[in-house]
Amino acid sequence: KQEVTQIPAALSVPEGENLVLNCSFTDSAIYNLQWFRQDPGKGLTSLLLIQSSQREQTSGRLNASLDKSSGRSTLYIAASQPGDSATYLCAVRNSGYALNFGKGTSLLVTP
Amino acid sequence: DVKVTQSSRYLVKRTGEKVFLECVQDMDHENMFWYRQDPGLGLRLIYFSYDVKMKEKGDIPEGYSVSREKKERFSLILESASTNQTSMYLCASSTGGAAREQFFGPGTRLTVL
Repeated sequence: KQEVTQIPAALSVPEGENLVLNCSFTDSAIYNLQWFRQDPGKGLTSLLLIQSSQREQTSGRLNASLDKSSGRSTLYIAASQPGDSATYLCAVRNSGYALNFGKGTSLLVTP
Repeated sequence: DVKVTQSSRYLVKRTGEKVFLECVQDMDHENMFWYRQDPGLGLRLIYFSYDVKMKEKGDIPEGYSVSREKKERFSLILESASTNQTSMYLCASSTGGAAREQFFGPGTRLTVL
């Protein structure tokens, strides 16, 4: 069964810093990988989707990379802002329909 | 924009009650999903549906059933609610193509007393 791990579990940084969130997965035979953001008590917002044939995707200040062979993805956030404070979840899809989620990294950006 | 809506943001029910959670998506997506999210356990898949009237069990289907009579609507049913079903319930939908990006609703916080 696919296992998805996110490190660190929590992270606190001062505003303006660039930061990297990590995601690793045990089964490299994935179809795609998706990064989400979740604010407290709310649903998940899709940030980026990387297909297995892609190496990276960018959206604004966010850049996600995928190294399928080593079972790793990173989410890079440039020039962090207090509004970026949230939990970030990584999820991978193997064959089939469902996503396998990591437990998330809780990010706090302090002014 | 993809819109996934859930019938309630907060719900309080009694043990033994039958509970219906409803989810509606407006993007003509083939696939719909129900997850529950618990502290320390993350998101776990309860059931999903890849077509009208079609359903598949996820990782934790016990105590739940689902119904998909129309493409845009996917209902989660707790036949006899128990306190261990107190959780955040999240609905999602996705296209049927290879991309299959999942989009989530706002969630329903269910408390069973």
